[in-house]
Amino acid sequence: SQQGEEDPQALSIQEGENATMNCSYKTSINNLQWYRQNSGRGLVHLILIRSNEREKHSGRLRVTLDTSKKSSSLLITASRAADTASYFCAMDNYGQNFVFGPGTRLSVLP
Amino acid sequence: GAVVSQHPSRVICKSGTSVKIECRSLDFQATTMFWYRQFPKQSLMLMATSNEGSKATYEQGVEKDKFLINHASLTLSTLTVTSAHPEDSSFYICSASVGQPGNQPQHFGDGTRLSIL
Repeated sequence: SQQGEEDPQALSIQEGENATMNCSYKTSINNLQWYRQNSGRGLVHLILIRSNEREKHSGRLRVTLDTSKKSSSLLITASRAADTASYFCAMDNYGQNFVFGPGTRLSVLP
Repeated sequence: GAVVSQHPSRVICKSGTSVKIECRSLDFQATTMFWYRQFPKQSLMLMATSNEGSKATYEQGVEKDKFLINHASLTLSTLTVTSAHPEDSSFYICSASVGQPGNQPQHFGDGTRLSIL
């Protein structure tokens, strides 16, 4: 079955620094999405990137997708304390299933 | 737009009680709603997919008689944890989407923290 892996599991940076999180998967995907979850809350959708796309931007977020390496990365530039959260990638396996990765816990220190 | 309301946000009850959790899409019609369970510091585990007017599709290992799902309308799905026991304590989250989840963003409720004493 499709399983995602994310690294690092946890990341601690200073405000203003960039944060990079990586997601890898095993089988071909249709799309990949990134979500953020603040502690004790639901998830918020960040970016959806399709299998024929290589990069997408949204504000301070940049997502890349390398289907040959079966991996994606999420870059948050100029991080802020409010970016502290868990970040999850989620993969659509052509409608067969939709699976979340284990997540990266990001702490941005003021 | 695309707001999903989940209620209640927290439940504490005695073992053997049945608990109902509601998930509503407030400003859009959700063809599909999803129920997830999340343990502390872990990812989301899909429990079931709920389509309006039809029976829910449960993931392997999820007891359908234990976790009853009703999707009565395009804006409301409910999850009932029947005869809850301490091992059912968890964070339950619903989400809703229009169309296949992978093709569209999922919109999440804020979750329900269930504690069974």
